Amino acid sequence: GAVVSQHPSRVICKSGTSVKIECRSLDFQATTMFWYRQFPKKSLMLMATSNEGSKATYEQGVEKDKFLINHASLTLSTLTVTSAHPEDSSFYICSARGWVSGEQETQYFGPGTRLLVL
Amino acid sequence: AQKITQTQPGMFVQEKEAVTLDCTYDTSDQSYGLFWYKQPSSGEMIFLIYQGSYDEQNATEGRYSLNFQKARKSANLVISASQLGDSAMYFCAMREGMAGYALNFGKGTSLLVTP
Repeated sequence: GAVVSQHPSRVICKSGTSVKIECRSLDFQATTMFWYRQFPKKSLMLMATSNEGSKATYEQGVEKDKFLINHASLTLSTLTVTSAHPEDSSFYICSARGWVSGEQETQYFGPGTRLLVL
Repeated sequence: AQKITQTQPGMFVQEKEAVTLDCTYDTSDQSYGLFWYKQPSSGEMIFLIYQGSYDEQNATEGRYSLNFQKARKSANLVISASQLGDSAMYFCAMREGMAGYALNFGKGTSLLVTP
């Protein structure tokens, strides 16, 4: 089945630094990818929709200058957390729309990235 | 307004028994999709089952079935013959319309399967 990978799986950084998270669709092309954020024991909240070759669409309340998204190819989207602060510590997870067995719609999720900002 | 409501924060079920996880949704779109995902402690989101709004039959996938009641706007997940490995968080999600395709998630239900 289709696979979405994320790198890194865990990252610890100092406050004020920037962190880049990569999301790749390994065996299919994804013109649209999604970035979610999940706090402990909470649900997934959509941050932005990443569109290949165009600007990302951000959800209300998400700072686009803080969370930079680049979707440079059909298989890669990156999320950069700029000038990270402790409140940015969270679980970040990406997804891409696809089909199971060519028929059943699904969204394939990456394994997620745990970010801890000290 | 909450689009996906999961009213059961936590559920217990004994191994080999069946369990139903509740999900209700709110949309004015005619075309939408409903999803269930399992999230173990590792954090990965595992796709379980999908139901399209125009699908007349309830979706089934192995031990998982979706009890789709369109008029009541409910999409409950039924897990038959529970296994210890089924212990995890379960999220119901909805994709509205045919554009965007992002998912709105419910708050989740924590399922614990006991021996």
